[in-house]
Amino acid sequence: GENVEQHPSTLSVQEGDSAVIKCTYSDSASNYFPWYKQELGKGPQLIIDIRSNVGEKKDQRIAVTLNKTAKHFSLHITETQPEDSAVYFCAASNKAQKLVFGQGTRLTINP
Amino acid sequence: EAGVVQSPRYKIIEKKQPVAFWCNPISGHNTLYWYRQNLGQGPELLIRYENEEAVDDSQLPKDRFSAERLKGVDSTLKIQPAELGDSAVYLCASSLEQGGSTANTEAFFGQGTRLTVV
Repeated sequence: GENVEQHPSTLSVQEGDSAVIKCTYSDSASNYFPWYKQELGKGPQLIIDIRSNVGEKKDQRIAVTLNKTAKHFSLHITETQPEDSAVYFCAASNKAQKLVFGQGTRLTINP
Repeated sequence: EAGVVQSPRYKIIEKKQPVAFWCNPISGHNTLYWYRQNLGQGPELLIRYENEEAVDDSQLPKDRFSAERLKGVDSTLKIQPAELGDSAVYLCASSLEQGGSTANTEAFFGQGTRLTVV
């Protein structure tokens, strides 16, 4: 089955700097890669997703890149703000609709 | 639009006792998921429903866990008897899967039920 590895487990950046979180997956059949943000006491919330027919997608300060050959994808947050502090999860899914999550990255934005 | 609603938010029970969680998905969503999230880890799928049918329950510990989704809407997840290792957050999610489509769609999560077994 699918296995998703996520790095780093914790990340601390200065406000205004960029943050990058990386994930690798094992199943070449995976074709959908969402990123979720989870705040304390809340459920995960989708922030951006990318499908296997696209190499990059951007939404304001958030971008995701996908390298199908290397089986890795990354989340980029630019001009970070204090409200970006949360736990971020990557996930991968194939046509069977089963989402497999990474272990999460706790992002802290320092003012 | 109301999101995925779960209850209760918190539950503390003694080991060997039964417990049940309830989920009301987003109206019209045909696919419902139950995930378990251990502290400091990502969610792990327990069971996925398409309408009333459980299409993936391979990760559900069937000796003590059971789930149902009557009428293809609300769902309950039950643990009987609970063990100390069951302490976790139980998340429900729903999505609208188009018939015959092979494209994944966004899964919306509820706030979860935090279970503590003592």
